[in-house]
Amino acid sequence: GDSVTQMEGPVTLSEEAFLTINCTYTATGYPSLFWYVQYPGEGLQLLLKATKADDKGSNKGFEATYRKETTSFHLEKGSVQVSDSAVYFCALSDDTGFQKLVFGTGTRLLVSP
Amino acid sequence: DGGITQSPKYLFRKEGQNVTLSCEQNLNHDAMYWYRQDPGQGLRLIYYSQIVNDFQKGDIAEGYSVSREKKESFPLTVTSAQKNPTAFYLCASRPRGLANEQFFGPGTRLTVL
Repeated sequence: GDSVTQMEGPVTLSEEAFLTINCTYTATGYPSLFWYVQYPGEGLQLLLKATKADDKGSNKGFEATYRKETTSFHLEKGSVQVSDSAVYFCALSDDTGFQKLVFGTGTRLLVSP
Repeated sequence: DGGITQSPKYLFRKEGQNVTLSCEQNLNHDAMYWYRQDPGQGLRLIYYSQIVNDFQKGDIAEGYSVSREKKESFPLTVTSAQKNPTAFYLCASRPRGLANEQFFGPGTRLTVL
C-alpha cells in the first residue's frame, strides 16, 4: 500500500539556519503531496501542497518540489525562526475519489534563538 | 467564522465506558474523517464519510463507531471494545474535488483512567 517516510527528529537548529526535512513516498497512481504543521496541543494546518510532478508548493518561506523520479517531497526553508518550532508531517493523498491521506510519522523541529 | 470544531478539548473516561467525541463543520464540506494520533506516530485513519448516511472503515476501526446523519456533523464513539483508547483524536473535512486538502479541527485528547 501507499506509504510516506520522513526523516526522524528532532531537528535542532539555530535561528536563521537553513532547514531541510526529507520526505519520500511510495504510491501507485498519481498522488497529491502535502506538508502539514502541528503546533503543541493543536490540530494540523496545511503548510503547502503539490498536485503533480515538478510542481513546487510554497508558503510562509517554506518550499517543497514534487519529484516523481526520486519519489520525494523534501521541505525546505532558507532561514528558520523560533516560531517555526513545531511538528511537520508529510502526507500523500491517493488519486481516487476517497482522497484518504497517508501520513509520515512527523518530524519535530526545534529552533533556538 | 468557518471552521471545524471538536468538543470537548479534554475528556476522561473510566475503563468500560463508551464515550462520544463531537465534530462539527460549517464549511459545507462533503467528506469528513476521524484520525487517531499517538505520541511519535503519524495519524491513522479510523473512519471516513463521503456523504450523509454513508461511511467507511479506515485502517483502525475496531472499537470505534460513527454516524453521519447531518452533513455538518460526524461524531465518533469510542467503545469499551477499544483496548487502548488513550490518544489524541483529530477530525477533518474536505470539499468535493480531487487534490483538495483536508482541514483539521483542534483535536480532543482522550485519557482513560
